[in-house]
Amino acid sequence: AQSVTQPDIHITVSEGASLELRCNYSYGATPYLFWYVQSPGQGLQLLLKYFSGDTLVQGIKGFEAEFKRSQSSFNLRKPSVHWSDAAEYFCAVGALTGGGNKLTFGTGTQLKVEL
Amino acid sequence: DAGVIQSPRHEVTEMGQEVTLRCKPISGHNSLFWYRQTMMRGLELLIYFNNNVPIDDSGMPEDRFSAKMPNASFSTLKIQPSEPRDSAVYFCASSFFQGSTDTQYFGPGTRLTVL
Repeated sequence: AQSVTQPDIHITVSEGASLELRCNYSYGATPYLFWYVQSPGQGLQLLLKYFSGDTLVQGIKGFEAEFKRSQSSFNLRKPSVHWSDAAEYFCAVGALTGGGNKLTFGTGTQLKVEL
Repeated sequence: DAGVIQSPRHEVTEMGQEVTLRCKPISGHNSLFWYRQTMMRGLELLIYFNNNVPIDDSGMPEDRFSAKMPNASFSTLKIQPSEPRDSAVYFCASSFFQGSTDTQYFGPGTRLTVL
């Protein structure tokens, strides 16, 4: 069965600083990988996804992630964090089934941005 | 274009009562997913449908939970009877599954409190 590990439960960065959120996955086949963001009281918004091809994927809000098969990682990065980026971030791996990709989520990383 | 619509947004009920959560997927999507989010267990997939047919309900916690999708634009998740441990945020997500890749879009969630 697939699994996702997000080793950092909380991260605090200063506004304008760079950000990297870690994600490690376990899956026996080629993974489909996703990053979602959740603001308080809101649903999950898709930031970016990796299906195949270029291992560096660009997403919304200036985020990017790099798929590294050798490290089973899909870390999320942003060069300069804005105060509005404070939220919880979830990494997910999809397992292909007959009716869609069955997503398994990590436990999330709560990002705090200091002004 | 409207996203995934869930109702109600908040539900407070007493133990033993029946609870029905509703979801309208994005028009044109053919897969629908129900998730539950709690502090203890994170985001869990409960059940998903493809072309209105349940594909995998292995995540449904027990027989008190049931889900239906009578048509392509409506799904319900029912809990009968409800218990305090069912308190959680329930998310519905939909996607267009083309046989290999799909991207799930989430609704705003229903926050359920069982007293």
